[in-house]
Amino acid sequence: AQTVTQSQPEMSVQEAETVTLSCTYDTSESDYYLFWYKQPPSRQMILVIRQEAYKQQNATENRFSVNFQKAAKSFSLKISDSQLGDAAMYFCAYRRGGSNYKLTFGKGTLLTVNP
Amino acid sequence: DTGVSQDPRHKITKRGQNVTFRCDPISEHNRLYWYRQTLGQGPEFLTYFQNEAQLEKSRLLSDRFSAERPKGSFSTLEIQRTEQGDSAMYLCASSLGSYQEGYTFGSGTRLTVV
Repeated sequence: AQTVTQSQPEMSVQEAETVTLSCTYDTSESDYYLFWYKQPPSRQMILVIRQEAYKQQNATENRFSVNFQKAAKSFSLKISDSQLGDAAMYFCAYRRGGSNYKLTFGKGTLLTVNP
Repeated sequence: DTGVSQDPRHKITKRGQNVTFRCDPISEHNRLYWYRQTLGQGPEFLTYFQNEAQLEKSRLLSDRFSAERPKGSFSTLEIQRTEQGDSAMYLCASSLGSYQEGYTFGSGTRLTVV
């Protein structure tokens, strides 16, 4: 079974600084997708960024970027120029390829942004 | 379309009672998912539908749980004879079914069993 591990229960960052959230996963599949979701205090999960395993180029969405290391099964999220609105729980998620779209989530990292 | 809607937002029930939650997905999304999230944990998969067909159920979904999506639109999740261990946030999500898609989540229903 696939597992997703987020080893940092909590992280904090100063406003305007950069922070990196870690995620590792375990799979025997070669075709899969990885996601980072944000869950603000209102509890609605929002997709931040996604990465296809077959793509070598790291995904980027504005201030959010990933460092995808396929051999190491590592998928970290970098948030640049952190803003107060970035404060939330961040979940790393895995989905294998094919028609099964079930997501497996990590336990999450609570990010605090200090003014 | 305002996204994925879940009703109610909060539910407090006594142990042993039955509860039913509703999820209205984004109208053009053919896939609908239910997840359960307990405090300090990530969401755990319960079940998913493609249109009206329930294609997979987790082992977490005991016999007391049943989900339906009768016309391929909204879905209901019923828990019979609730137990304190059922207390959790129940999240619904929907997607177009494209391999690239992430989900669109609802705000969840928080269930407290007392």
